Amino acid sequence: EDKVVQSPLSLVVHEGDTVTLNCSYEVTNFRSLLWYKQEKKAPTFLFMLTSSGIEKKSGRLSSILDKKELSSILNITATQTGDSAIYLCAVVRNTGNQFYFGTGTSLTVIP
Amino acid sequence: GAGVSQSPSNKVTEKGKDVELRCDPISGHTALYWYRQSLGQGLEFLIYFQGNSAPDKSGLPSDRFSAERTGGSVSTLTIQRTQQEDSAVYLCASSSPWGSGQQGTQYFGPGTRLLVL
Repeated sequence: EDKVVQSPLSLVVHEGDTVTLNCSYEVTNFRSLLWYKQEKKAPTFLFMLTSSGIEKKSGRLSSILDKKELSSILNITATQTGDSAIYLCAVVRNTGNQFYFGTGTSLTVIP
Repeated sequence: GAGVSQSPSNKVTEKGKDVELRCDPISGHTALYWYRQSLGQGLEFLIYFQGNSAPDKSGLPSDRFSAERTGGSVSTLTIQRTQQEDSAVYLCASSSPWGSGQQGTQYFGPGTRLLVL
């Protein structure tokens, strides 16, 4: 059964801390892995990863894919209260273009 | 089933035709959301249902798009007179009621890939 598992389910940190969010998957015909930040309405797209070992970076956020381990991590350095959100991971299959979403990691950053 | 299901998984249609996309949310989830993921774009919010009513239709891109939800469960998204720019993956999500301990967490379906020729 295809599935995406995120950990931890929730996380509370203080401003300035660094956090690492995990996403592991068991999906056949893998095409890409996407990270989203969800605050209110639509989740905001963060990264799309297709190649293993290549880090994508945007400001304090970075992410990398490990196809051998079937996983990805999302790092956030020097966290701010505005980083508080649910972070979603989704894997897209080559066949059928189906999305498999994890249930997300709820991050709370305390001032 | 245990998760959100959507049908069909893929739909190819000709420009000008109407299409109906279906979403079956997780049982007991009162909130239901429709999103659109176009190639190279982020997720685009379309509409949100709380029960059978749609308090937020702000994301519907045109009057060709409509959605309904009956019985507080299944929802259908209808696109009339489809255009090529409607081609996208249409995603549905549901979330549990406030007070249930898991509120806010949206559970996504696998999506319907729509291709308008």
